[in-house]
Amino acid sequence: LAKTTQPISMDSYEGQEVNITCSHNNIATNDYITWYQQFPSQGPRFIIQGYKTKVTNEVASLFIPADRKSSTLSLPRVSLSDTAVYYCRNDMRFGAGTRLTVKP
Amino acid sequence: DAGVIQSPRHEVTEMGQEVTLRCKPISGHDYLFWYRQTMMRGLELLIYFNNNVPIDDSGMPEDRFSAKMPNASFSTLKIQPSEPRDSAVYFCASSRTGQGSSYNSPLHFGNGTRLTVT
Repeated sequence: LAKTTQPISMDSYEGQEVNITCSHNNIATNDYITWYQQFPSQGPRFIIQGYKTKVTNEVASLFIPADRKSSTLSLPRVSLSDTAVYYCRNDMRFGAGTRLTVKP
Repeated sequence: DAGVIQSPRHEVTEMGQEVTLRCKPISGHDYLFWYRQTMMRGLELLIYFNNNVPIDDSGMPEDRFSAKMPNASFSTLKIQPSEPRDSAVYFCASSRTGQGSSYNSPLHFGNGTRLTVT
């Protein structure tokens, strides 16, 4: 099954834009890329999903290049409440996730 | 929409005891997944069902683990006998049939059951 690779952790400051990149070199033709956010003591929560190019919603943007071997989650103007673990997923399984810490 | 409901929220038991975790998926969702989360291993897929039928149980650690889905609105994950290494947070998630492949639809997770086996 396809495997995803993300940075283990990232730090940012309030008001900055944060970009988290996920590598999925073996993504299948039919696979979409989905990103989730997880807070302590909660289940992961859907953020955004895309197949190619760019997708934007009220929370984030997702950039997927033409070869689809990677994707970048962009969080505009983060706040302290965005401190969480972010997972990308393109099949049944989740990667290790990226722990984002937003500092004041 | 009440979301995915899991019970109990916390379970503390002694080694050797039977543990049953319960899940009520979102109405209308035809996929149900059981995941286990630990610090060491992250989120692991244990088993998933489609229309109440188990499709892939290759993630179930061993025969001590079993899962059932008797109807579209209820699933159980049972551990018998339980061991301390089973301590983890167990999540249930559900989704609708997705585009292209069975796992493309966003998953809706419950808040999990934190299991502690002493």
